[in-house]
Amino acid sequence: DAKTTQPNSMESNEEEPVHLPCNHSTISGTDYIHWYRQLPSQGPEYVIHGLTSNVNNRMASLAIAEDRKSSTLILHRATLRDAAVYYCIRRLTGGGNKLTFGTGTQLKVEL
Amino acid sequence: NAGVTQTPKFQVLKTGQSMTLQCAQDMNHNSMYWYRQDPGMGLRLIYYSASEGTTDKGEVPNGYNVSRLNKREFSLRLESAAPSQTSVYFCASSERRGEHSYNSPLHFGNGTRLTVT
Repeated sequence: DAKTTQPNSMESNEEEPVHLPCNHSTISGTDYIHWYRQLPSQGPEYVIHGLTSNVNNRMASLAIAEDRKSSTLILHRATLRDAAVYYCIRRLTGGGNKLTFGTGTQLKVEL
Repeated sequence: NAGVTQTPKFQVLKTGQSMTLQCAQDMNHNSMYWYRQDPGMGLRLIYYSASEGTTDKGEVPNGYNVSRLNKREFSLRLESAAPSQTSVYFCASSERRGEHSYNSPLHFGNGTRLTVT
């Protein structure tokens, strides 16, 4: 099964860091971990991806466990505009173009 | 850059009517996709096109047909709409071809909200 496991919802205060967890215990050695987010009434937006090493970009950081069975998306300073559904996805190297989206984590950000 | 453009934004159909959802991308991407999103179910892949001239079924292809008209455009057709096809439809594109797309991000349009009564 290519799906991942995420909490249904999380809450954060503005300007505080947010750690969004994802479990992918059946991941194989060559599968990438991708994160997307979806703001209300918009299409999903790419956030970050990685294979083994931790990754950083202008939007977020991705921390991947040493055994690769879990990962954490880190938003360093949450803003109200970060309120969205965050999807953690296993990108199968042998699965062609088939991204499998779960139901994601609804992040609520409060003042 | 417009990115991925979907038309129309909204559509209401009666059961049995047909329609085509249009999608175009201006990023010179090889691969394009159609997803549907229903409440509480995340996004599910309907069809995808790894490159111009090729199309493949995704997770939920029944009741749909697609055409990869050229590199820019990928359309989704409902021949005989049913209430079960009420959904939000998203088109997406990515840069690399087929099996080597696993580390290439998808770029999504803003969706077409379809209601079938």
